[in-house]
This record gives sequence, structure tokens and C-alpha cells, in this order.
Amino acid sequence: DAGVTQSPTHLIKTRGQQVTLRCSPKSGHDTVSWYQQALGQGPQFIFQYYEEEERQRGNFPDRFSGHQFPNYSSELNVNALLLGDSALYLCASSFRSRTGKTEAFFGQGTRLTVV
Amino acid sequence: EDQVTQSPEALRLQEGESSSLNCSYTVSGLRGLFWYRQDPGKGPEFLFTLYSAGEEKEKERLKATLTKKESFLHITAPKPEDSATYLCAVQRDSGSARQLTFGSGTQLTVLP
Repeated sequence: DAGVTQSPTHLIKTRGQQVTLRCSPKSGHDTVSWYQQALGQGPQFIFQYYEEEERQRGNFPDRFSGHQFPNYSSELNVNALLLGDSALYLCASSFRSRTGKTEAFFGQGTRLTVV
Repeated sequence: EDQVTQSPEALRLQEGESSSLNCSYTVSGLRGLFWYRQDPGKGPEFLFTLYSAGEEKEKERLKATLTKKESFLHITAPKPEDSATYLCAVQRDSGSARQLTFGSGTQLTVLP
């Protein structure tokens, strides 16, 4: 089992550009969540995808958007990049059980630097 | 609004010196409390999920406990390889809500 995989591992972009990050969930998982982690802080929830729809969204602007594909993989898109978007972007996958009890597993993250 | 506060922010221990990390939380109905370990530049590694007050879970030198207001991560006889940032997160018991709210973490350094 490859676990949660993210690509690319590192990325450098210029202010105003657009970026797409990718995530493949752990085998058997159907839900993908994205988090942003600034240096020295805990991860902040961006949004969650289940059944190819955005189910929940954190306090992030519309510049952040996403997509989930039929094979459960997901993309995070960020438009009009700002310097403050520089962070480690984490993907977490889980199985959406009816009880709500679940374990979320994270990928290694994508380090985005905006210059 | 859900809140998670971890203390201390940083902790230095000698190898073999046991200690505890604290996670205090405020959430309108707790579905689960999660502990993760994170090494520099890497994604968080899942350790435990606790679902109800009084529950305890153990893994090697780590033991997590849960009360109605806080959780403790006890580290017994730590080794240098236990050095990492330990993150605590809560999940609210509210309909379809599945997001995790994290604390800022405790950076643990274990000296040989």
C-alpha cells in the first residue's frame, strides 16, 4: 500500500501565477481533505471532497478551488498567488464511515514557495 | 468555534526522562481527538484516535489519554528518535462535519 501520495514535492511560483497540486488517497479511502500549514503552525483546513463534491470549506478565499476525480484522487488549485500562500500543502485521506469514526492519513506534502 | 491549545510549545528531555504533553480543547461535541507526529518537512504521521473520556491507547513508548477537556500524550523513557513535533487535533460531532482542527504542536527534543 503506497499510502497517500502528493505531487510535486516542491514548487516555486511567481506572484500572480496559478498552481495545481495533486493527491492520490490511500487505497480504500474515498474522502480527501486539503490543509495549509505555515511554518511553526498546525495545519489549517482548506476543504474536503467526497463523491466528487466539495462537502466542507474552511476560511479560505475563492482563489482556492479543488476537484475530486472518479478514482478518488484530487487536485488543489490556487489562482493569483500571493506571497502569503507560501506554505506546506497537505492532503489527507480517510474513509467516510456512517459512524463518523475515522482515521485520517496524510501525505508528505507539497512545499510551495511564492516569490 | 473549535479551539485546540497545546503545551508546552517546546520540550527538551534527556534520553530516558519521561514526560507528558498536554492538549486542551474546546469543541461543541467531540467526535474524536487525534494525535500525530510530524518530522521536519514531512506530513503528519497518524498515532492515535480517542473517542470518549477515559479512553487510553498505547503504542511503544507513547500512551494517549482523554478527559472531557484535555488529552495527554505520555512519553515513557524517550529515545532521540522520538524527537519530532507532536500535533493534536479535534473533530466535531456535527452532522457531516469531518474537518480536523489542529493545535500548533509541541516540539519535542530528546537529547542522548
